[in-house]
Amino acid sequence: GESVGLHLPTLSVQEGDNSIINCAYSNSASDYFIWYKQESGKGPQFIIDIRSNMDKRQGQRVTVLLNKTVKHLSLQIAATQPGDSAVYFCAENSGTYKYIFGTGTRLKVLA
Amino acid sequence: EADIYQTPRYLVIGTGKKITLECSQTMGHDKMYWYQQDPGMELHLIHYSYGVNSTEKGDLSSESTVSRIRTEHFPLTLESARPSHTSQYLCASSGGQSSNQPQHFGDGTRLSIL
Repeated sequence: GESVGLHLPTLSVQEGDNSIINCAYSNSASDYFIWYKQESGKGPQFIIDIRSNMDKRQGQRVTVLLNKTVKHLSLQIAATQPGDSAVYFCAENSGTYKYIFGTGTRLKVLA
Repeated sequence: EADIYQTPRYLVIGTGKKITLECSQTMGHDKMYWYQQDPGMELHLIHYSYGVNSTEKGDLSSESTVSRIRTEHFPLTLESARPSHTSQYLCASSGGQSSNQPQHFGDGTRLSIL
């Protein structure tokens, strides 16, 4: 069945280093992908999205890379800060009401 | 900043009680959603709505019901709460003509049934 999963459940990164969070998806029909950040006690917060006609998109300190050949999505955070500590989810959509979410990766920023 | 609000934020209540979780958005979004999320786990869609008077069940079977009488309001009701309903409930909305729009989430209601 369709699934979106994450390779690493927990990622620990030194403050100031770059973080890379990975996501695999299985539905080749998915054409829209989103990264969310969820802090403790809050709902998921939109970070960045990418459509399938792109392979890279940049935001403020974040970059999303999409590799459709291997159905892989990654989120890169530059100069990771303590405020980046949270759980990160990827989600995919294939043009329907349905957004498929992965389990999430917890990012821990070490001082 | 998304304007979607959920109340209450936390609710501890006994078995058998009727519960309504409120969700309101001020963005004029047509589509609204309810998800259930256990700690550290993925989000499971339990209800969604394309617009006023439109409601559908999601992928995860739920004993809850929803209504959409106004665009901005999408309440979720449990007629008789049970301990198995203990979870976090997240409401979301999205707008635009295309389904390829990000969802905006509220901060959730953490529900505990004793």
